[in-house]
Amino acid sequence: DAGVIQSPRHEVTEMGQEVTLRCKPISGHNSLFWYRQTMMRGLELLIYFNNNVPIDDSGMPEDRFSAKMPNASFSTLKIQPSEPRDSAVYFCASTVGLAGSGELFFGEGSRLTVL
Amino acid sequence: GDSVTQMEGPVTLSEEAFLTINCTYTATGYPSLFWYVQYPGEGLQLLLKATKADDKGSNKGFEATYRKETTSFHLEKGSVQVSDSAVYFCALSRNTGGFKTIFGAGTRLFVKA
Repeated sequence: DAGVIQSPRHEVTEMGQEVTLRCKPISGHNSLFWYRQTMMRGLELLIYFNNNVPIDDSGMPEDRFSAKMPNASFSTLKIQPSEPRDSAVYFCASTVGLAGSGELFFGEGSRLTVL
Repeated sequence: GDSVTQMEGPVTLSEEAFLTINCTYTATGYPSLFWYVQYPGEGLQLLLKATKADDKGSNKGFEATYRKETTSFHLEKGSVQVSDSAVYFCALSRNTGGFKTIFGAGTRLFVKA
């Protein structure tokens, strides 16, 4: 069975450029999460969607970050303009429903380096 | 707000040693508790979970017991292997009209042959 698929796996860009990260959740999962992982701050929840609707975006660091989920099988996280402090590994995860006991299924991550 | 605190790493053990990674949490109500493992270059994957007090989660020789009285969920394994080298994350989640999983900072484990 296909897991959560993220692209690109690695992205190197220059400060000021637009970055778009992509995620395909597991089929049948209706909740999707974007996390950012850095050495300094660990795993941070940026935003999550349920049934394609953003439920909580309080973790989005600033207006340069935006996320969309146009349909049940696709989500994007966009950074515009990018800055060196955005360098991190960005993970997408999905699960079924909103139950508090649900397991999250993670993709392999997108490693972003902003020069 | 909800939070998870786990012991700092790295933890370095010899093969076949006993492992304990401490985890305590702060949350109102009755959260579900999880341990996730992250191998190099990969995403997190669920190792085990417990959904109510006194439940014991177990998988691959690892186990953890949900202790509400001490708000703890310590991870243990009786005999570690080199292949257990990874980063381990303690986490909690609860449905409070929304759904968030809160992760601890992670504990890196090195197992020497």
